[in-house]
Amino acid sequence: DAGVIQSPRHEVTEMGQEVTLRCKPISGHNSLFWYRQTMMRGLELLIYFNNNVPIDDSGMPEDRFSAKMPNASFSTLKIQPSEPRDSAVYFCASRPTGGTGNTIYFGEGSWLTVV
Amino acid sequence: DAKTTQPNSMESNEEEPVHLPCNHSTISGTDYIHWYRQLPSQGPEYVIHGLTSNVNNRMASLAIAEDRKSSTLILHRATLRDAAVYYCIFGGGGSNYKLTFGKGTLLTVNP
Repeated sequence: DAGVIQSPRHEVTEMGQEVTLRCKPISGHNSLFWYRQTMMRGLELLIYFNNNVPIDDSGMPEDRFSAKMPNASFSTLKIQPSEPRDSAVYFCASRPTGGTGNTIYFGEGSWLTVV
Repeated sequence: DAKTTQPNSMESNEEEPVHLPCNHSTISGTDYIHWYRQLPSQGPEYVIHGLTSNVNNRMASLAIAEDRKSSTLILHRATLRDAAVYYCIFGGGGSNYKLTFGKGTLLTVNP
């Protein structure tokens, strides 16, 4: 089975540029999560979608960050303008419909470096 | 945020059992106990989860204390591929969709 697919795997961009990270959840999963991981702060939940609707975006650091889920098989996380402190690994995860205990499955991550 | 307490690091020898402890004294009755692990340069990987009873799967076993305030992840025979950061998390029950990750335990496996 294909897991959660993220792209790009690695991105190096200059400060001020727009960054778009993409995610394809596992087919049939109705919940999607975006996490960010840094050495200092560990894994942080940024936003959670259920049935394509954003339910909780309290973890989004500031207005420069936005996330969309136009359909059940695609989501984007956009940073505009990007800053060096946004350098991190961004993980997308999805959860199966009706799964017990709300277990989530992660993608391989998008490694972002802003210089 | 849901808080768990885990050792920062543990060490094991290859082919020996490993017991990774976790305290979660503030767990509620509907919260599941989850274990994930993260290998270097990869995303977190689901290992096992349980509510009250001990659980076994092909990767590991989960022993849950009777009062549910602690649990232990058991790797029956550690391999070099088990070297990873292991996260113990509680939550995910009912409408509690959030799984809040702590620092985890860095497991080193010696050949």
